[in-house]
Amino acid sequence: GNSVTQMEGPVTLSEEAFLTINCTYTATGYPSLFWYVQYPGEGLQLLLKATKADDKGSNKGFEATYRKETTSFHLEKGSVQVSDSAVYFCALSDSSSNTGKLIFGQGTTLQVKP
Amino acid sequence: DSGVTQTPKHLITATGQRVTLRCSPRSGDLSVYWYQQSLDQGLQFLIQYYNGEERAKGNILERFSAQQFPDLHSELNLSSLELGDSALYFCASSVGWTGELFFGEGSRLTVL
Repeated sequence: GNSVTQMEGPVTLSEEAFLTINCTYTATGYPSLFWYVQYPGEGLQLLLKATKADDKGSNKGFEATYRKETTSFHLEKGSVQVSDSAVYFCALSDSSSNTGKLIFGQGTTLQVKP
Repeated sequence: DSGVTQTPKHLITATGQRVTLRCSPRSGDLSVYWYQQSLDQGLQFLIQYYNGEERAKGNILERFSAQQFPDLHSELNLSSLELGDSALYFCASSVGWTGELFFGEGSRLTVL
């Protein structure tokens, strides 16, 4: 079945450091890929998405490229801020299922120190 | 504010009891999804309703049930509660099948 694997956290970085959170997936068909972010005490919010191979999703300085050959969708940011501290979830949606349901990875906690 | 409202925010109950969690989706969204978030299992998809009908089913226990009403709000019923049911339960809504879900802030259930 479909699944998503993320790098384990927590990831601790200093402000202005470069961020990479790895995500790989297993899926039949042609899934859409997503990154969601969960700030402390809040629900998940969509951060960015990509719907087909080689698409790059970007938002708020974050970006991720849909790599079909390596089945990956790694999240990157060039310079993190303290306010980026949160839990990041990689997810996929099987567009052929006509449900829109998401399969999530385990989540990666990011802590950014001043 | 995502526009998705969940009540109650916190709930403490005892083993063997039954609780109902409520979700009001964003205005205009026909789909409602329920997810369970626990430390050891991560985010698990439970069930989806679309315009009152069950659309997809995930890892939902037989002790759990859900429904979506004509006004599109949804309820998740959890019965014969066990300690392991303690978790954060999220509701999300969407207008179509794009995977762009809008999440509520969750209902934290503690079973003692």
